[in-house]
Amino acid sequence: GIQVEQSPPDLILQEGANSTLRCNFSDSVNNLQWFHQNPWGQLINLFYIPSGTKQNGRLSATTVATERYSLLYISSSQTTDSGVYFCAGNTGFQKLVFGTGTRLLVSP
Amino acid sequence: DTAVSQTPKYLVTQMGNDKSIKCEQNLGHDTMYWYKQDSKKFLKIMFSYNNKELIINETVPNRFSPKSPDKAHLNLHINSLELGDSAVYFCASSQDRVQPQHFGDGTRLSIL
Repeated sequence: GIQVEQSPPDLILQEGANSTLRCNFSDSVNNLQWFHQNPWGQLINLFYIPSGTKQNGRLSATTVATERYSLLYISSSQTTDSGVYFCAGNTGFQKLVFGTGTRLLVSP
Repeated sequence: DTAVSQTPKYLVTQMGNDKSIKCEQNLGHDTMYWYKQDSKKFLKIMFSYNNKELIINETVPNRFSPKSPDKAHLNLHINSLELGDSAVYFCASSQDRVQPQHFGDGTRLSIL
């Protein structure tokens, strides 16, 4: 089955810093999502981005489908950005395969 | 209005008991899912239903039995609970197999 690798596994930032999270897929996907799992455990949908670039406030994401990777950019990070960021892909068999996540801690 | 809602949020019970987790979505989606998140935060699919029919059963022990009374509901019943069943269980739904999946808030199951 498809393998999903995320990097870095852990990231510590000072408030206000920018960061880039990466997600690599071992095979082509036709659904790619980014999630933020907040400290309360909720999985928040950030982006549905099978290809191209999208922006939502301080967050943006880019997926290069032909090269099987996606990037999540966080600008001017805030303490509320802390948590675990997951990417997940679907090869058309109705199941999302999740990466192992990037654990982000933003300190004041 | 909560799009995908799960109950209960927390479930603490003893080994050997039987328990159920309920899930409802009000998005009008055709497909629903159960995922399990283990203690290392790894998320993995358990089941997928499309219009009340089982599509995916990801080698889950048969102590776990999903039931979909209608396409807005997908419940998970677990028999003879074991210590290894302790995890967070997430329900999700999507319009079809390639559209984005929307997740509930999770049910944290703890087995004593």
